[in-house]
Amino acid sequence: AQSVTQLDSHVSVSEGTPVLLRCNYSSSYSPSLFWYVQHPNKGLQLLLKYTSAATLVKGINGFEAEFKKSETSFHLTKPSAHMSDAAEYFCVVSPYGGATNKLIFGTGTLLAVQP
Amino acid sequence: GAVVSQHPSWVICKSGTSVKIECRSLDFQATTMFWYRQFPKQSLMLMATSNEGSKATYEQGVEKDKFLINHASLTLSTLTVTSAHPEDSSFYICSARDVLARSYNEQFFGPGTRLTVL
Repeated sequence: AQSVTQLDSHVSVSEGTPVLLRCNYSSSYSPSLFWYVQHPNKGLQLLLKYTSAATLVKGINGFEAEFKKSETSFHLTKPSAHMSDAAEYFCVVSPYGGATNKLIFGTGTLLAVQP
Repeated sequence: GAVVSQHPSWVICKSGTSVKIECRSLDFQATTMFWYRQFPKQSLMLMATSNEGSKATYEQGVEKDKFLINHASLTLSTLTVTSAHPEDSSFYICSARDVLARSYNEQFFGPGTRLTVL
């Protein structure tokens, strides 16, 4: 069975410090992996995606994530947090490398950025 | 590009009434649309997959007679919550796949519809 585990429900950082949001996945096949961000009362926005190309994926707003097959991880990082990064972040897996329609969402990590 | 809209953005209704939510792909054709439900402080749960011109496929535990889905065109899918009850209050989000896109498995999400049933 395919699943996604976001290890932290809440992460708090100070503005200007690094961000690390952790995600582990379980998939029987080569998955596609995504990170989405959701600001309050707004729709989901795609930050970045991994689809079996380069293992280090760069996304929007300075975010990046590294696919590590040996660790079944896809952690999201950013070198320096900005106040506008405060939001809910979802790690998402699409099993079978995209041959199926379904997206499986993690439980989300709420990022707080302190001034 | 790849914009998905939803209407209405929020709705309040009385218990027992029906509510229709529209999901539109504005600048691409979406043969497949998806409907999700998100309860407060929880993740998105897929309710159903909607294919243009055919019946929707519902996830286990989702009542197809209560959540009616119609996908009559390549740019519009509707979700009707019939005989709504307070426990149906939730944030409903749709997404769509652009089958002509290079990364065909990517879904584009609408802004969501907040339903409150009194």
